[in-house]
Order: sequence, then C-alpha cells, then structure tokens
Amino acid sequence: EVQLVESGGGLVQPGGSLKLSCAASGFTFSGSAIHWVRQASGQGLEWVGRIRSKADSYATSYAASLKGRFIISRDDSKNTAYLQMNILGTEDTAVYYCTRVIVAGSGMDVWGQGTTVTVSS
Amino acid sequence: QSVLTQPPSVSGAPGQRVTISCTGSSSNIGAGFDVHWYQQLPGTAPKLLIYAYSNRPSGVPDRFSGSKSGTSASLAITGLQAEDEADYYCQSYDSSLSARVFGGGTKLTVL
Repeated sequence: EVQLVESGGGLVQPGGSLKLSCAASGFTFSGSAIHWVRQASGQGLEWVGRIRSKADSYATSYAASLKGRFIISRDDSKNTAYLQMNILGTEDTAVYYCTRVIVAGSGMDVWGQGTTVTVSS
Repeated sequence: QSVLTQPPSVSGAPGQRVTISCTGSSSNIGAGFDVHWYQQLPGTAPKLLIYAYSNRPSGVPDRFSGSKSGTSASLAITGLQAEDEADYYCQSYDSSLSARVFGGGTKLTVL
C-alpha cells in the first residue's frame, strides 16, 4: 500500500524548534518530490515547501512567509523526509501534512494523515 | 488573502450540478501552470480529485470534472450526492511567488 506517515508533532513553546518526519512506504520514495502543507484549525491549506529527488539535486523551495525558519531534508536510505521548524510562533500552530508529487503536473497524489503542532506557552 | 480566489461556499440538492470557480492571474493559471483540485472530507487529509485541469486519478468518479478558461479554472460536480459534502481546494504554481499556491477553499453543502 502506498503510504505516507507523519510523526513528531506536539506541544512546543514559542521560540522553540521541532522536527517532523514523513515515512514513506509502498512506492519508490527516492524518485518522488515531497511537499509539506499545513492547515491551521478551521483554515485552508497552506503550502510550506518541497524537496525534489536526487535526480534534481535535492532542490528545496519554501513559502516566503516562513522567512527561512524551516528546512526540509530527506534520507532516501530510510525512505523518510523531514521538516525542521525553528523559531516557532503561535502562527505555526497547525496540522502538518507531507505529500508526494511523482512528476510535474501530476498533483499531490498521496497524503499522510497529518501531525499536529501546537505552539503555546 | 489567497492568490487563487474561490467562493467560500456553494450548495446544491442531491442530483443537481454545482460548479466551483478558482480565479487566478497571469502569474499562475493565466501563465499556463497546471491546476489541481483536492477534496477534504471532515476530519481527514486532502485527496487529489483532479490533476492538470481535467484529469481524474484512478478511482475518482466521472461525476467530477475540471476545466480552464483564461485565468480561471472550474470544478464541476454532477449528480450531487450526500458524500460529496466536503471542502474543495484548487492549487497551482505562481511564478511571481515561486511557490505552490492554494485557493482559500470552498465548502460544499448538499441540501
């Protein structure tokens, strides 16, 4: 079964850091781009960023609103992608999803169940 | 304020047809970047419904269809069913922002 499973969410104080994981199974992880999307409670979807495959030099791109606080990485040997979040603020409180894009134009066709990040003192 | 504009809500009776618009600009839809549509049922992760304007992934009923005109895209749902009640999002790429962008989402209510 093609699957993405996020983990690592939790409660963190403002100004703190957190690292989320996205474990893949059932498909060739190394050939896929992985995107992170977040959704605050009762709000819409917000694109966070993405990392491409080794064939595309693991290129990363991020939403400008994050102001360089987030870093996406991957370990193809572990079929896992990561989202390192730094200098967290209350505005970062959301459900974080990882999702797959196989080829350009194919859309985000597989989504994880999401992991909840709460930034609060 | 989303780069892609969707109506906050639409509604229809079972069996009817509804459309959801997604209005962009010359830096996203108008520039020819693909538009994808996602369905999010309450309490669940989004699901890809339409990719590249009008293509349905395997398993998506043909009651769902997508189209594009100029700087806008549309999602049409025919033969409305109770299980279609969900939030729908359009998504594209914006060259000015160098980023994927989502519409604000549309809540579909089946009356």
